[in-house]
Amino acid sequence: DAMVIQNPRYQVTQFGKPVTLSCSQTLNHNVMYWYQQKSSQAPKLLFHYYDKDFNNEADTPDNFQSRRPNTSFCFLDIRSPGLGDAAMYLCATSRDGGGRSYNEQFFGPGTRLTVL
Amino acid sequence: LAKTTQPISMDSYEGQEVNITCSHNNIATNDYITWYQQFPSQGPRFIIQGYKTKVTNEVASLFIPADRKSSTLSLPRVSLSDTAVYYCLVGAPTGGGNKLTFGTGTQLKVEL
Repeated sequence: DAMVIQNPRYQVTQFGKPVTLSCSQTLNHNVMYWYQQKSSQAPKLLFHYYDKDFNNEADTPDNFQSRRPNTSFCFLDIRSPGLGDAAMYLCATSRDGGGRSYNEQFFGPGTRLTVL
Repeated sequence: LAKTTQPISMDSYEGQEVNITCSHNNIATNDYITWYQQFPSQGPRFIIQGYKTKVTNEVASLFIPADRKSSTLSLPRVSLSDTAVYYCLVGAPTGGGNKLTFGTGTQLKVEL
């Protein structure tokens, strides 16, 4: 089945130690997103790729970076995790572009990040 | 920015129809409205999408008034398995639309 896969499902890191979360998709969608979701809150968009074009949200901290080496994979790098970065990180994909397609997103199961 | 607000929670019983409203006063012309369902420790799952008037699929209906400043998700005959958080998503990053923004979310609890 076509899907969005996130690894690992659970990640523990130490304060200030860089961490990378990965996302892969078999849907062949050209748009990929990273969201941060804290407990009891709605997902918050960090950035998205439209093909290879990176689109950063204005309020996304510089501590968060992303790479998309090819259509199928996307990575979220947190350079110096703080306690406030503990959250669920969700990867999503959508097909093509335009308003309608941006909203019809397929989400992975998420990676829960713990910062000690 | 399309600020979107929803009721924090709703309670219902099995077999009843549930209507959840999302307010998005600053919606832009190019913005679409989409609803998602999320269970604990899972990613959101697409339910339905619309632009204006009414849309219906096999699981829900979406009502959008002419001014598009709100939308209502209608779930017919809910069951216990519909207990989840429901989010509206508004925006369209290209073509002059708003940033993609999820609503505040509504926790729906369905009881016997």
